[in-house]
Amino acid sequence: DIVMTQSPDSLAVSLGERATINCRSSQSVLYSSNNKNYLAWYQQKPGQPPKVLIYWASTRESGVPDRFSGSGSGTDFTLTISSLQAEDVALYYCQQYYDTPITFGPGTKVDIK
Amino acid sequence: EVQLMESGGGLLQPGGSLRLSCAASGFTFTSYWMHWVRQAPGKGLVWVSRINSDGSSTHYADSVKGRFTISRDNAENTLYLQMNSLRAEDTAVYYCVRSWYYFDFWGQGTLVTVSS
Repeated sequence: DIVMTQSPDSLAVSLGERATINCRSSQSVLYSSNNKNYLAWYQQKPGQPPKVLIYWASTRESGVPDRFSGSGSGTDFTLTISSLQAEDVALYYCQQYYDTPITFGPGTKVDIK
Repeated sequence: EVQLMESGGGLLQPGGSLRLSCAASGFTFTSYWMHWVRQAPGKGLVWVSRINSDGSSTHYADSVKGRFTISRDNAENTLYLQMNSLRAEDTAVYYCVRSWYYFDFWGQGTLVTVSS
């Protein structure tokens, strides 16, 4: 199984400041035949289902604000919120869909400082 | 509008059985693979099972293999999860999820509580 880890477990950032979340997979999720990283980021607010923010490691889902961006390749990935807004307080999960079992990171809680 | 509406959750005793349903609408159900993902109270997301678009291929997490069965009725646009031999550790919100590689749409979830 591909194990996903995230750091930090939680972070508190001032409004308007940058938030950075890291995700690492235990093996590469880069599929060489199409050069795509099978890595997605999800946001989950209390009492709601998760919502996809980023897929293919760096493609923003339609309707997601451009302050959210994803980067990385192979085994190391980053989700960046360039200017934190109050509505961004949530849990953030990375996920690999390269292989079954599909696995998620443990989550990172983002709060306002 | 895409909708995934789960139903069938509830409270039951260890060893019991339950069938979850997920009614899909607003998209071409037969074009998508579907999944079940669960989330225990206060915990993270755990993938449970997936089924391909015509129902000919399924996959399960080791923790549910042999106890849970995923299926779909493409004529009724409905996804199912038959859950047998339930254990306390199966207690969770169960989400029905649509995928096009990544998980692009999630239902609101249905709570399953296994307790004596």
